[in-house]
Amino acid sequence: QQQVKQSPQSLIVQKGGISIINCAYENTAFDYFPWYQQFPGKGPALLIAIRPDVSEKKEGRFTISFNKSAKQFSLHIMDSQPGDSATYFCAALKETSGSRLTFGEGTQLTVNP
Amino acid sequence: GAVVSQHPSRVICKSGTSVKIECRSLDFQATTMFWYRQFPKQSLMLMATSNEGSKATYEQGVEKDKFLINHASLTLSTLTVTSAHPEDSSFYICSAMGTPQRPYGYTFGSGTRLTVV
Repeated sequence: QQQVKQSPQSLIVQKGGISIINCAYENTAFDYFPWYQQFPGKGPALLIAIRPDVSEKKEGRFTISFNKSAKQFSLHIMDSQPGDSATYFCAALKETSGSRLTFGEGTQLTVNP
Repeated sequence: GAVVSQHPSRVICKSGTSVKIECRSLDFQATTMFWYRQFPKQSLMLMATSNEGSKATYEQGVEKDKFLINHASLTLSTLTVTSAHPEDSSFYICSAMGTPQRPYGYTFGSGTRLTVV
């Protein structure tokens, strides 16, 4: 029940295209769903996050779509750029003190120029 | 805001020696620190959770005597890899949760690449 499944494992997109990464979770107690971006040799950085009371959140070129009934959420990167090439992790959390993040397996995104 | 400074970024040590990694929250009080280990092309694996002033809680399979965690203040946590061996070579990342911190979520350090030779 603590797992978060992420797909695809790797993704290659042309510059200007749309990158889509999907995640599914089991634990209905999760109530906060962040996405992290990680460049090689660096720690993850929070990219965007959503709570289950909304179905979509957009910040610039990044959009999270959330389907509570299906227990799925996805990250869409519009107008993908070579600088977006990184590993993306979805995660889930129950917002109680000391709660731990449950990470997806990660998606290595490559945006070709 | 919400910056976590992790040092060193890279360290090479000889087998049998100990290595200390520091993680500092620069602009907030880190009530909880998390230490992760990450292998190449894999996700983050939680090693332990520490609350300021308390003993760390280790995940199953993590040797507490090998990976010593100290969280003596609200701005500093350390991970000491004792008697390091080549199999301890990995990327170690800390993460802090505390107040004030916006947006809610964990702030990660920049990671430490440990190579044991």
